[in-house]
Amino acid sequence: GAGVSQSPRYKVAKRGQDVALRCDPISGHVSLFWYQQALGQGPEFLTYFQNEAQLDKSGLPSDRFFAERPEGSVSTLKIQRTQQEDSAVYLCASSRTSGAKETQYFGPGTRLLVL
Amino acid sequence: GESVGLHLPTLSVQEGDNSIINCAYSNSASDYFIWYKQESGKGPQFIIDIRSNMDKRQGQRVTVLLNKTVKHLSLQIAATQPGDSAVYFCAAAPGSGNTGKLIFGQGTTLQVKP
Repeated sequence: GAGVSQSPRYKVAKRGQDVALRCDPISGHVSLFWYQQALGQGPEFLTYFQNEAQLDKSGLPSDRFFAERPEGSVSTLKIQRTQQEDSAVYLCASSRTSGAKETQYFGPGTRLLVL
Repeated sequence: GESVGLHLPTLSVQEGDNSIINCAYSNSASDYFIWYKQESGKGPQFIIDIRSNMDKRQGQRVTVLLNKTVKHLSLQIAATQPGDSAVYFCAAAPGSGNTGKLIFGQGTTLQVKP
């Protein structure tokens, strides 16, 4: 594929609603990452998959956040009972091999606004 | 905890001049560093990376310098162009484990004046 794609690009949710954000990584990429980027800040790591295995979820801010990659390709980040502080851009990245020491290619992000 | 920081939130340069963006990191075990460029409404775009066994790496119009002694790296952009206007982030990978995590700085906004 051309690059990492994410959908939707924009999402407005009412406080308390559940949302699901989708990431399609570059075809064949082993690793997939989710980051959260608040306005005016750098991306902050949320979680990391190697194929279908979630190897690091230390950055998920609460148990309302859940990510999965069941077949080792497409990934979904789910946020339950959204709060206003969840408003941010959610970025997905993929890399060809495993670990952080390979170039991570980012998608355009999903901008989430919780009202 | 581990941190990555940039020295200046904003840098303004004249078109055609060279730009230097600086970054400091706290974890001496970090062994991989990346510079990203982010334009408004887009995801970060890879510019150049460097591993800790090197102190300099060059790309097209860009050079990254790494000083492990003072835990500092810089991005140099030669002959800065209006299309270089963006937010620039440095990021570091921890040296241990296979966590996949990148630690990002807060970004420096580069403004190129025509």
